[in-house]
Amino acid sequence: SYVLTQPPSVSVAPGQTARITCGGNNIGSTSVHWYHQRPGQAPVLVVYDDGDRPSGIPKRFSGSNSGNTATLTISRVEAGDEADYYCQMWDTTSDHVVFGGGTKLTVL
Amino acid sequence: HLQLQESGPGLVKPSETLSLTCTVSGGSISSSSYYWGWIRQPPGKGLEWIGSVYFSGFTYYNPSLKSRLTISVDTSKNQFSLRLSSVTAADTAVYYCARHSVTTGLYWGQGTLVTVSS
Repeated sequence: SYVLTQPPSVSVAPGQTARITCGGNNIGSTSVHWYHQRPGQAPVLVVYDDGDRPSGIPKRFSGSNSGNTATLTISRVEAGDEADYYCQMWDTTSDHVVFGGGTKLTVL
Repeated sequence: HLQLQESGPGLVKPSETLSLTCTVSGGSISSSSYYWGWIRQPPGKGLEWIGSVYFSGFTYYNPSLKSRLTISVDTSKNQFSLRLSSVTAADTAVYYCARHSVTTGLYWGQGTLVTVSS
């Protein structure tokens, strides 16, 4: 089955740029989505289809996807961005939804 | 404005069947553009896809749960449902329903905690 690999944690100072990676075999050929999840809340879509933003999501959130790595980039990080972040895709080989293991973003 | 709402018992006994329903409002479950799925999250752990259903009734299941799992759709009620049999404590989790497609990602319900305990 397809596996998506994320770093368990990323730390960044306020105002800096956070980059969270999602690794998978030839992931660049798929459509990748990103969610953030604050404690006790449901996940919220922040980037879809590699790099598009849903309405209401700040432009500070962007995404890219090429080769074997997809990346979520958060510019000018704020304290409110501290959350767990998950990548996700649809594996067309097995027709399964696949999630990465999640990355805890800590704002120092 | 699309809304998904999970409903069902919050406590299930070991070896029994967990049953949840997701009611969709603000959109039609008969849309050919989307799948309707279930995802769970054990306490302190990551997200696990359980399975999804298309409006036609075609289903896609996580292989690790397939032998215990039934997901169905009721287009007349704009609902879809989850049944997971022979539950154990390992099935304790927050269960989410969601709408999804290949290119749009998941749109989530608020989630419901199901505890498996005698």
